[in-house]
Amino acid sequence: DQQVKQNSPSLSVQEGRISILNCDYTNSMFDYFLWYKKYPAEGPTFLISISSIKDKNEDGRFTVFLNKSAKHLSLHIVPSQPGDSAVYFCAASTLRNSGSARQLTFGSGTQLTVLP
Amino acid sequence: EPEVTQTPSHQVTQMGQEVILRCVPISNHLYFYWYRQILGQKVEFLVSFYNNEISEKSEIFDDQFSVERPDGSNFTLKIRSTKLEDSAMYFCASREGTGVFEQFFGPGTRLTVL
Repeated sequence: DQQVKQNSPSLSVQEGRISILNCDYTNSMFDYFLWYKKYPAEGPTFLISISSIKDKNEDGRFTVFLNKSAKHLSLHIVPSQPGDSAVYFCAASTLRNSGSARQLTFGSGTQLTVLP
Repeated sequence: EPEVTQTPSHQVTQMGQEVILRCVPISNHLYFYWYRQILGQKVEFLVSFYNNEISEKSEIFDDQFSVERPDGSNFTLKIRSTKLEDSAMYFCASREGTGVFEQFFGPGTRLTVL
């Protein structure tokens, strides 16, 4: 299942710089997108989301951009901090015909390392 | 801050045995989910539960799996006869309700089938 793809398995950035994590999707029915952060041996932690009717959503140091025509979204973290080092997952959902459960389809994740 | 809790954190079982994984979703949430992540693979959807019934399930969620909300707080996943390939992290998640799409995840249960 490659409906949500994160093509970079890892990313390293210097503390204070911008981190940009990318995600592509193929299912045009996806209408809501979320980013999660995950530390080892913990569950995914919700970070930020965006509806398909928007192209940008900002929350503090985190901004998500959505380019519907390219089926691409990105998460910007600025400034990056060592505590941001984790695996970041992109996820997408759609309102399916069978119900309103809105299951999430996840990407494979990107390991972000912020170097002090 | 309200959070999803899961027990146990780690479950070791023999192949063919039944296991029950337990979750306590956030109290005012209406939608409940189970996902799993096999080591090195993506997080995969298993099942969603709303209004005391399954609302969606994936191909993975076959007759060996069942879910239940036995009381007002717990949400359980039962695997009747475990297989080696059931070894994975199992995550419970909950969502507040219609119009709110963010799901909040528990810390997971690591299931090891020997």
